[in-house]
Amino acid sequence: KQEVTQIPAALSVPEGENLVLNCSFTDSAIYNLQWFRQDPGKGLTSLLLIQSSQREQTSGRLNASLDKSSGRSTLYIAASQPGDSATYLCAVEYGNKLVFGAGTILRVKS
Amino acid sequence: GAVVSQHPSRVICKSGTSVKIECRSLDFQATTMFWYRQFPKQSLMLMATSNEGSKATYEQGVEKDKFLINHASLTLSTLTVTSAHPEDSSFYICSASSLAGAYEQYFGPGTRLTVT
Repeated sequence: KQEVTQIPAALSVPEGENLVLNCSFTDSAIYNLQWFRQDPGKGLTSLLLIQSSQREQTSGRLNASLDKSSGRSTLYIAASQPGDSATYLCAVEYGNKLVFGAGTILRVKS
Repeated sequence: GAVVSQHPSRVICKSGTSVKIECRSLDFQATTMFWYRQFPKQSLMLMATSNEGSKATYEQGVEKDKFLINHASLTLSTLTVTSAHPEDSSFYICSASSLAGAYEQYFGPGTRLTVT
């Protein structure tokens, strides 16, 4: 069964701290992996997409890595800001089907 | 580019009534649209996949007679929750993809359904 797990479920950090969100998946035959941000009651905003042949992607203060063989991905957020507070979802694509993790709720305190 | 809209954003209905949710791709033609359901503090669960002009493919455990999906054009898919009950209350999100976009899914803003 294709499952995606995210750790931690929730995280609270002071402003300015660097942090890492973790995602693991059981089936390594992935097409790509994507990190999303979801604000309360809102839809999804795509942050980074890593193709299965890639090892990392960067956008501004965000860096996502992918280790397909071990079934893991991390999202690194540098110099966190209160505006980064949201739920971060990891999704793995198999064929044209996305399997989502339950998310990490991030709170950055000012 | 790649904007997906949903309407309505929120809907409250009485138990036993039917509710229709629209998903539109505003600036691209979506060959495939997806419908997800999200319970509070839980992940998105894929309900069904629909290709334009074809019948939707439902995930295991999703009642196709209860959740009617129509994908009549390349820019519009609808989800109708028939004979809604309180347990159908949830956040419904659609996404759309196309060959031109390398089949990356673009998500709508979601619809909050509350059944009283």
